[in-house]
Amino acid sequence: QQQVKQSPQSLIVQKGGISIINCAYENTAFDYFPWYQQFPGKGPALLIAIRPDVSEKKEGRFTISFNKSAKQFSLHIMDSQPGDSATYFCAANYNQGGKLIFGQGTELSVKP
Amino acid sequence: KAGVTQTPRYLIKTRGQQVTLSCSPISGHRSVSWYQQTPGQGLQFLFEYFSETQRNKGNFPGRFSGRQFSNSRSEMNVSTLELGDSALYLCASSPDRSPLYEQYFGPGTRLTVT
Repeated sequence: QQQVKQSPQSLIVQKGGISIINCAYENTAFDYFPWYQQFPGKGPALLIAIRPDVSEKKEGRFTISFNKSAKQFSLHIMDSQPGDSATYFCAANYNQGGKLIFGQGTELSVKP
Repeated sequence: KAGVTQTPRYLIKTRGQQVTLSCSPISGHRSVSWYQQTPGQGLQFLFEYFSETQRNKGNFPGRFSGRQFSNSRSEMNVSTLELGDSALYLCASSPDRSPLYEQYFGPGTRLTVT
């Protein structure tokens, strides 16, 4: 019940296309859902986050869509660029704690 | 503001030895969490410290321990190292336990156990 399932494991998108990564969770106590971007040799960097009382949040080219009833959330990267090529992780948290539960990651490759 | 710093960045140890990793959080951040990242298991939570107290603990054996100092700097220790402990160890800091709990990660310490 603590798991966060992420798909796909890898994704190849053409430059200018839309990248979509999906996550699903079981624990309805989760109340914070961040997305992280990680480049090789670096730590994960916080991209965007959402709380379950909001269905969508947009920051620049990055959008989180949240479906509370389905217990799913997704990251959309519009106008994908080669510089977006990285590994993306969804995560979940609850009870204001410092314990993030991460998905398994999606390796995104944006082809020029 | 300087980001989260971790030392050392790389470490090679032998099975059976122990190791101590250090993390300095972003100035003003009081919470520090530790994670282990491996290709097979992904990112797994180890423990969280807030105001020198362990507030959350993950499902790791007692060989993994940590502490936090009064200046919020944190250390984690792994005793009796095993080959499977080879991983990237990440530290993350957060200002406080606000409802929107943002964690900022350091670059990690790459531990190799031979």
